Amino acid sequence: SQQGEEDPQALSIQEGENATMNCSYKTSINNLQWYRQNSGRGLVHLILIRSNEREKHSGRLRVTLDTSKKSSSLLITASRAADTASYFCATGRGSNDYKLSFGAGTTVTVRA
Amino acid sequence: DVKVTQSSRYLVKRTGEKVFLECVQDMDHENMFWYRQDPGLGLRLIYFSYDVKMKEKGDIPEGYSVSREKKERFSLILESASTNQTSMYLCASSLSRSNYGYTFGSGTRLTVV
Repeated sequence: SQQGEEDPQALSIQEGENATMNCSYKTSINNLQWYRQNSGRGLVHLILIRSNEREKHSGRLRVTLDTSKKSSSLLITASRAADTASYFCATGRGSNDYKLSFGAGTTVTVRA
Repeated sequence: DVKVTQSSRYLVKRTGEKVFLECVQDMDHENMFWYRQDPGLGLRLIYFSYDVKMKEKGDIPEGYSVSREKKERFSLILESASTNQTSMYLCASSLSRSNYGYTFGSGTRLTVV
């Protein structure tokens, strides 16, 4: 069953701007991950944040996690055309937390 | 560079055919997964395996089976293909139960006619 829901469904920004997308989930999690998918290809792992962490950075990516609100956000700073992709959050929970549940994704278009 | 390889990029099969989708990883990962991806529905887990010969049902196993005879290979089988199984199929692997990041294959776009 789908656990995460991304918001917005689609986002269009100018190159150089920041892009923010959110993920909400329903039940307690052990970890939350973000993935990127370029058109028609497989997903690429971006970042993992555990339930006891509040913020993580990786290059131009910043992820926050608020377990009290059951939500996470992914910020991409200084966006580039190459950031055009779909972004998915995925959650692992319970004793099988290595088995991930994915949301439907946010489609990001970066205009040159 | 570590890899998950799916045998076919595009596949067209007829209704009622038995279809095999193959996935091979070269990273000595314990866990392997099969998802299908449909517009607006995201990725849905079909089956997964945490060890050789071990398999567990995911959220939508009906109409599918799997085989994992060797650690590096995880096969998805559509016993009798139907048009509602037209989809993008994604294979993924992860190192262990405590190391969570997935490595995905490029996907197989299956069309059942």
